[in-house]
Amino acid sequence: AQSVTQLDSQVPVFEEAPVELRCNYSSSVSVYLFWYVQYPNQGLQLLLKYLSGSTLVKGINGFEAEFNKSQTSFHLRKPSVHISDTAEYFCAVSLYFGNEKLTFGTGTRLTIIP
Amino acid sequence: EAGVTQFPSHSVIEKGQTVTLRCDPISGHDNLYWYRRVMGKEIKFLLHFVKESKQDESGMPNNRFLAERTGGTYSTLKVQPAELEDSGVYFCASSQGSGTRWAGELFFGEGSRLTVL
Repeated sequence: AQSVTQLDSQVPVFEEAPVELRCNYSSSVSVYLFWYVQYPNQGLQLLLKYLSGSTLVKGINGFEAEFNKSQTSFHLRKPSVHISDTAEYFCAVSLYFGNEKLTFGTGTRLTIIP
Repeated sequence: EAGVTQFPSHSVIEKGQTVTLRCDPISGHDNLYWYRRVMGKEIKFLLHFVKESKQDESGMPNNRFLAERTGGTYSTLKVQPAELEDSGVYFCASSQGSGTRWAGELFFGEGSRLTVL
C-alpha cells in the first residue's frame, strides 16, 4: 500500500523568506502527485499537480514542486512567502489515472512571521 | 458558479445518536468523494460515487456509515449510531472528467465538523 510522509507538522517562516515543505511517498508503482492548500475556514484547494511530463511543476500563488522519482519526493517550494500564505498544506498521491482516490499526508501548517 | 457546499458546518451529538451530513457538489460533476480527517491525522478516503453509483466504498469504517447519492446529485452520509471515534471533519469533494479528459483536480467543500460526546 502507498503512504505519504510530511515530516514537518509545523513550519514557521519569516515574511519574504524562502520555504520548502517536504513530502515523501512510498509506492511500488507509478503515482500521480498533488499539493493541496487549506486556508483558514475554507476547503482544500489544488495548489499544483504532477501527472506526467516535466518534473518541475508550477502552481498557483508562486509555488512550485519537483518530482524526484529516485528519492520518491515531491517537495513544495516558494522563493519568497507572504502573510497570505499562512495555511495548512497537504501532499497527496493517487495510484490511478483518472481517479481522485487520494492518499494524503498528515499536513504541514505554515505560519508566516511578519 | 457555486462551489461544493456542505451542511451542517458543525454538529455536536451524543454517543448513540444519529447524524446526517449533506453535500451538494458542483453542478455537472459526476464524481463525488467523501473524505474524513480525525484530529491531527491524515485525511482519509471514505468512498467515491460516479453519478448515483458507488464506485469504491473501501474506506468506509464500518456498517454504521451509510452514504447515498440521490439521482446523481447531492449526497448524504449518515452515521448511526455515532461513536466517540467518529469525531472529525468530514470533507466532500467533486470532480468532472475521466479517462483522457481527466484533469486531476478535486474541488472540496469546507467540511462538516462532527463532535460526538
